[in-house]
Amino acid sequence: QQQVKQSPQSLIVQKGGISIINCAYENTAFDYFPWYQQFPGKGPALLIAIRPDVSEKKEGRFTISFNKSAKQFSLHIMDSQPGDSATYFCAASMASGTYKYIFGTGTRLKVLA
Amino acid sequence: ETGVTQTPRHLVMGMTNKKSLKCEQHLGHNAMYWYKQSAKKPLELMFVYNFKEQTENNSVPSRFSPECPNSSHLFLHLHTLQPEDSALYLCASSQDGTAANSPLHFGNGTRLTVT
Repeated sequence: QQQVKQSPQSLIVQKGGISIINCAYENTAFDYFPWYQQFPGKGPALLIAIRPDVSEKKEGRFTISFNKSAKQFSLHIMDSQPGDSATYFCAASMASGTYKYIFGTGTRLKVLA
Repeated sequence: ETGVTQTPRHLVMGMTNKKSLKCEQHLGHNAMYWYKQSAKKPLELMFVYNFKEQTENNSVPSRFSPECPNSSHLFLHLHTLQPEDSALYLCASSQDGTAANSPLHFGNGTRLTVT
């Protein structure tokens, strides 16, 4: 119930293409869903986040789509660039006592020039 | 200096050694965290401190001992580690450890190798 399942494990996309990463969760108490981006040798950094009261959030080329009934959310990277090559982690959290995130296993994205 | 700083960046230690990892945050946050990152596994929460008080110990073996002397500093003391403890150890901070949408700010981690 505390897991967040992320797919695919790795993804190769041509420059200019759309990258799509999917996550699924079981615990309906989760109420905050961030995505983190991690470059080699660096720590993860918050990319974009969504609350379950909206179905979509867009920031530049990055969009989160959220399906509450299916308990799924996804990250779409439009016009993917080589500089987007990184590992992406989805996460989920709930507002209960000490706050903590549950992370997915990560997706290694490579965008070919 | 800004953000979350971790030292050392790399550490190689034998199973009988004692070493410490250091984390310092310059963001004025009140919560600090230790995470373990292993290949092909989810980020694993180890410890949480909120206003210097430990609020989470995620069943971490006693060979890992955290210390939080103030809201800006966090240490992870290591002793008699096992080879399977080799991983990237990430420190993070957030404004409020009890708020669901208080983003985590990570350091660049310490790459630990236990020989």
